Amino acid sequence: DAGVIQSPRHEVTEMGQEVTLRCKPISGHNSLFWYRQTMMRGLELLIYFNNNVPIDDSGMPEDRFSAKMPNASFSTLKIQPSEPRDSAVYFCASTGQSGNTIYFGEGSWLTVV
Amino acid sequence: DAKTTQPTSMDCAEGRAANLPCNHSTISGNEYVYWYRQIHSQGPQYIIHGLKNNETNEMASLIITEDRKSSTLILPHATLRDTAVYYCIVPSYNTGNQFYFGTGTSLTVIP
Repeated sequence: DAGVIQSPRHEVTEMGQEVTLRCKPISGHNSLFWYRQTMMRGLELLIYFNNNVPIDDSGMPEDRFSAKMPNASFSTLKIQPSEPRDSAVYFCASTGQSGNTIYFGEGSWLTVV
Repeated sequence: DAKTTQPTSMDCAEGRAANLPCNHSTISGNEYVYWYRQIHSQGPQYIIHGLKNNETNEMASLIITEDRKSSTLILPHATLRDTAVYYCIVPSYNTGNQFYFGTGTSLTVIP
């Protein structure tokens, strides 16, 4: 199993630019999570999808952030426009029907300058 | 989500057992206790989970008190590679199975 695959692994962008992070969950998993991790705030849950439908987006910081899951094998997290305070590691994770275990990707390291 | 409380940091000598405590006094009867760990620069990794019985796997043992208000993760023979942040989580299935991570316990294994 390839695990949860995220891209890009690292991105450096200028303030104001659009950033798109991508995630491919584990095949057969029906729940997908986006997390953000910073030193100050730790690991925060941003949004949670179940069967491609957003269930809880209360963790999305503001309108600049949006997430989509057009099908069971792909999700995107978009930041537009990006700001320096968005610099963080963004993790995608997925879990199956039983919901017993979350599997994380290796993260996308975002730096906004 | 059932609130969990963990010590901020702990040290453990290499080769000794590391015992990481977690309080979850508001846990409901059908909620599991999960443990994850995060090694620097990597995504969190699943360790073990349990409902009310003690559990053991190749990585660790999980001891849950009879009243289920607290648990202890045991790494029987800690190695330097076990240095990580350990998270105790009780996901609430009533609100959709979200896994909220707190601040965890930063475990340092000392040579």
